[in-house]
Amino acid sequence: KQEVTQIPAALSVPEGENLVLNCSFTDSAIYNLQWFRQDPGKGLTSLLLIQSSQREQTSGRLNASLDKSSGRSTLYIAASQPGDSATYLCAVPSYGQNFVFGPGTRLSVLP
Amino acid sequence: DAGITQSPRHKVTETGTPVTLRCHQTENHRYMYWYRQDPGHGLRLIHYSYGVKDTDKGEVSDGYSVSRSKTEDFLLTLESATSSQTSVYFCATGDGLEQYFGPGTRLTVT
Repeated sequence: KQEVTQIPAALSVPEGENLVLNCSFTDSAIYNLQWFRQDPGKGLTSLLLIQSSQREQTSGRLNASLDKSSGRSTLYIAASQPGDSATYLCAVPSYGQNFVFGPGTRLSVLP
Repeated sequence: DAGITQSPRHKVTETGTPVTLRCHQTENHRYMYWYRQDPGHGLRLIHYSYGVKDTDKGEVSDGYSVSRSKTEDFLLTLESATSSQTSVYFCATGDGLEQYFGPGTRLTVT
């Protein structure tokens, strides 16, 4: 059974810092990994999708990497801003087209 | 997002009453999902659909049923609501690679 963990559970940083969020999964036979952002009281917004053939994906200040052999993905946020404050979740396939979500990392970026 | 709407957005109902939540998509995605999100439990899959009239159970399906008679609509029914079903319910669609989420429905069972 696929299990997903995320470290740290919460993170508070001053504006401008670069930071790394971690996602670990137990079954490395995945075909992709997706990172989401969730603002309080809102739905999930897709940030990045990494397919199994890729090692990383970039979108603006965000960079996500995937290491299937070690069962890990990292989300790097450069030059953090208060608007980046949200909960970040990763999701991996469990079986077929089902997905398992990590518990999330709650990020606070202080002005 | 992928043009996903959920209705109602908020609902308060009494224990024992039936409740139906609707998810509507305009992207013609094959896969559709219902999740619930609770503090301390994260997002958990209730039911999913891999095509019209093709559905299957997820991790927490007890007390819930679903139907998908059209590609664009996926209904979640609580046959007899209980207080433990108070939660935020999210619908998602999938194109085989990515998932896209709706805005959520906050359901309170009193």
